[in-house]
Amino acid sequence: QSALTQPASVSGSPGQSITISCTGTSSDVGNYNLVSWYQQHPGKAPKLMIYEVTKRPSGVSNRFSASKSGNTASLTISGLQAEDEADYYCCSYAGNLWVFGGGTKLTVL
Amino acid sequence: QLQLQESGPGLVKPSETLSLTCTVSGDSVSSRSYYWGWIRQPPGMGLEWIGSIYYSGSTYYNPSLKSRVTLSVDTSKSQFSLKLSSVTAADTALYYCARIAALSTWFDPWGQGTLVTVSS
Repeated sequence: QSALTQPASVSGSPGQSITISCTGTSSDVGNYNLVSWYQQHPGKAPKLMIYEVTKRPSGVSNRFSASKSGNTASLTISGLQAEDEADYYCCSYAGNLWVFGGGTKLTVL
Repeated sequence: QLQLQESGPGLVKPSETLSLTCTVSGDSVSSRSYYWGWIRQPPGMGLEWIGSIYYSGSTYYNPSLKSRVTLSVDTSKSQFSLKLSSVTAADTALYYCARIAALSTWFDPWGQGTLVTVSS
């Protein structure tokens, strides 16, 4: 099972919106509506930001939204803030196994 | 409040077995609603799912590690454990344990992580 494909880095200015893609296959992203997204600040454990493709856990800002089309999931962060600068990982269930993306470093300019 | 805490040796010699335990407080590892899992992150690199275990003892492993990984659960101690055999320097990583929702399959919360270095 190969890792999901994410861009290595994205950047944006405060207030702008950015989108991070996560491309898998018909065995994972394309076959299950079970994609989740995690935010990881340096030296910290990952934090759940999105689950079941589009759902936000309680406490996560509504500036974070997500979607899926075919084998590609996407995370959008609107109204970028300095605190959003972090690494972001997608993850998909793939039938009794899980696969993560390679991670995307978000830089807020 | 649910908390997970990894514990185990921070240094393991090549070819030996890495053993880690995750202690769960604030929830029961016997819950039918969750799996319990291990994820690792080599220094400066991304996350890799290692394996997951259900309270019943059912296990699911990353195919790339399956031949070397064993997960177990001890409901009496509210702990679950990871053993990774025949380690090499490539197994040097920050090892996290996490709760996994059985239906929604999300990972939350995560432990703080424990760094394991493979070196002689």
